[in-house]
Amino acid sequence: QKEVEQNSGPLSVPEGAIASLNCTYSDRGSQSFFWYRQYSGKSPELIMFIYSNGDKEDGRFTAQLNKASQYVSLLIRDSQPSDSATYLCAVTPAAGNKLTFGGGTRVLVKP
Amino acid sequence: EADIYQTPRYLVIGTGKKITLECSQTMGHDKMYWYQQDPGMELHLIHYSYGVNSTEKGDLSSESTVSRIRTEHFPLTLESARPSHTSQYLCATRQGLSDTQYFGPGTRLTVL
Repeated sequence: QKEVEQNSGPLSVPEGAIASLNCTYSDRGSQSFFWYRQYSGKSPELIMFIYSNGDKEDGRFTAQLNKASQYVSLLIRDSQPSDSATYLCAVTPAAGNKLTFGGGTRVLVKP
Repeated sequence: EADIYQTPRYLVIGTGKKITLECSQTMGHDKMYWYQQDPGMELHLIHYSYGVNSTEKGDLSSESTVSRIRTEHFPLTLESARPSHTSQYLCATRQGLSDTQYFGPGTRLTVL
């Protein structure tokens, strides 16, 4: 089992709809959780981070964390074609100094 | 402005050549990382450093080596490049264990 798992997609979403991305992690002691967006051929850029259970909203993005169920999700409201990218979930495990990345979910927003 | 710099951005080189990919940062961060990523594929951690004179191998076995003589600088060296080394190499920095990790723009390496 991978430490951080994501559905590879592609997740196809009509323009203006909500895109829902999920990520599960295996280390129950994980402390911090990040979502990155990566356009093809570019480096990952941070969208959001979340540390506590519940929801965190930033513009059109909402991160949701449920530590008991060991999942973190990302909602993209009013999806735009410019949101088409691969979204990476990353987790700081309880031990160690490295972020653990999932394989990413590819999102396609169709006009 | 605090930033992460990688040079060169693109490199095409012949088999057997020695190459050094540069990464420097003005973020003031202690922790630095090198990732390798093939197009459309996962990120793989190949080296990391917690500070000056500290280097560790990552999760993916790599024939490259790194050094950390200065806080700001974390170069990656391939002694003898091979076509299997063709990939994108991403440098990243981070301050605390729970802090955000930031990525540089990457170096796209092609070995012929």
